[in-house]
Amino acid sequence: GEEVAQTPKHLVRGEGQKAKLYCAPIKGHSYVFWYQQVLKNEFKFLISFQNENVFDETGMPKERFSAKCLPNSPCSLEIQATKLEDSAVYFCASSPYSPTGELFFGEGSRLTVL
Amino acid sequence: KQEVTQIPAALSVPEGENLVLNCSFTDSAIYNLQWFRQDPGKGLTSLLLIQSSQREQTSGRLNASLDKSSGRSTLYIAASQPGDSATYLCAVSPLNTGTASKLTFGTGTRLQVTL
Repeated sequence: GEEVAQTPKHLVRGEGQKAKLYCAPIKGHSYVFWYQQVLKNEFKFLISFQNENVFDETGMPKERFSAKCLPNSPCSLEIQATKLEDSAVYFCASSPYSPTGELFFGEGSRLTVL
Repeated sequence: KQEVTQIPAALSVPEGENLVLNCSFTDSAIYNLQWFRQDPGKGLTSLLLIQSSQREQTSGRLNASLDKSSGRSTLYIAASQPGDSATYLCAVSPLNTGTASKLTFGTGTRLQVTL
């Protein structure tokens, strides 16, 4: 598609439950990125992919967070055993040719952990 | 560790004014710098991308400059309009190719353009 599509828009989970977010990058874009916006303007990098391969995962909290980008499927970000501090808006972005190129962002998925 | 700061944090101007938003970063080893706008409840929209070798980029009423050695960038908006009201963020990409996809975002400037 022409836009980065993220689902769901809103997700509510009880502490300890699993959360899974999805992202369909723009068709033909090779790079996918996940960012977490915790407070209003605090963006934290989580992970990036080049096609289905992890490009940089240095921002991922390894214990509970995992992400995949499989061929012919939306990319996913999964949080096992959610904690209150995981409440945030999770943004997915894609870029056509380069990890340093112009980023196209989705509208985000708001996760609320109660 | 790279730190990116934006001044002012908030700005209110009457329609038609020209304005400047500032972005400063502590580590000059950057690959590029991007300016984004974020509307409430929405994702980020890329406005301008400046490579580290460039001094400025222009798109319509927007002009962004980059002074890498001093760690500064400015976004100039000419003849502001109410539709320009949004939060503006700058973000830098590190020079290290292995982590070049890891943008560090600024704190943002919330702009309101009044009628």
